[in-house]
Amino acid sequence: QQPVQSPQAVILREGEDAVINCSSSKALYSVHWYRQKHGEAPVFLMILLKGGEQKGHEKISASFNEKKQQSSLYLTASQLSYSGTYFCACEKLTFGTGTRLTIIP
Amino acid sequence: EPEVTQTPSHQVTQMGQEVILRCVPISNHLYFYWYRQILGQKVEFLVSFYNNEISEKSEIFDDQFSVERPDGSNFTLKIRSTKLEDSAMYFCASTSTGNPETQYFGPGTRLLVL
Repeated sequence: QQPVQSPQAVILREGEDAVINCSSSKALYSVHWYRQKHGEAPVFLMILLKGGEQKGHEKISASFNEKKQQSSLYLTASQLSYSGTYFCACEKLTFGTGTRLTIIP
Repeated sequence: EPEVTQTPSHQVTQMGQEVILRCVPISNHLYFYWYRQILGQKVEFLVSFYNNEISEKSEIFDDQFSVERPDGSNFTLKIRSTKLEDSAMYFCASTSTGNPETQYFGPGTRLLVL
């Protein structure tokens, strides 16, 4: 069963922050995050392997709560280039429902 | 920077025809994957391949699908008898043994079945 992401879509002004959540009904042992721009392939952002692990990538970071079976992606001071659809994926390479992020100037 | 390449970029075929989608993974990568994405929907895992055999496959990857590494560089996905619902973008991805966590995706092949 695929992970569920929330929100489904979000519109931000440049410079604002966003949080994207990913929840699974099954136990999570790892979480991958990807960004996909329209018409392009997904781009790997990061993987979290341990419960409670946090990782950062420029102004994009993520946390993983193994007990709650969820992960969150944090985007701070968003830039126009952050626009796209964000997917989480659990082990077994099952992608989440996706969150479309639109950044406006 | 090395990248995964896929050919063709677009393929139009008649229902019932066989198609072969080709991928050239990054040269030192040993794990290979196929995904598909129906327009506007999520990315779906099809199959993973390592050491010349399928390591994992999804429910979507039925008998109509097969994968092959015919030589040292190409990795192919064959759909034997295409159906309308096979229309999608197909992505190939690869990872290295040194960094198995990071998947590199190719640009995709858009398949349209008429």
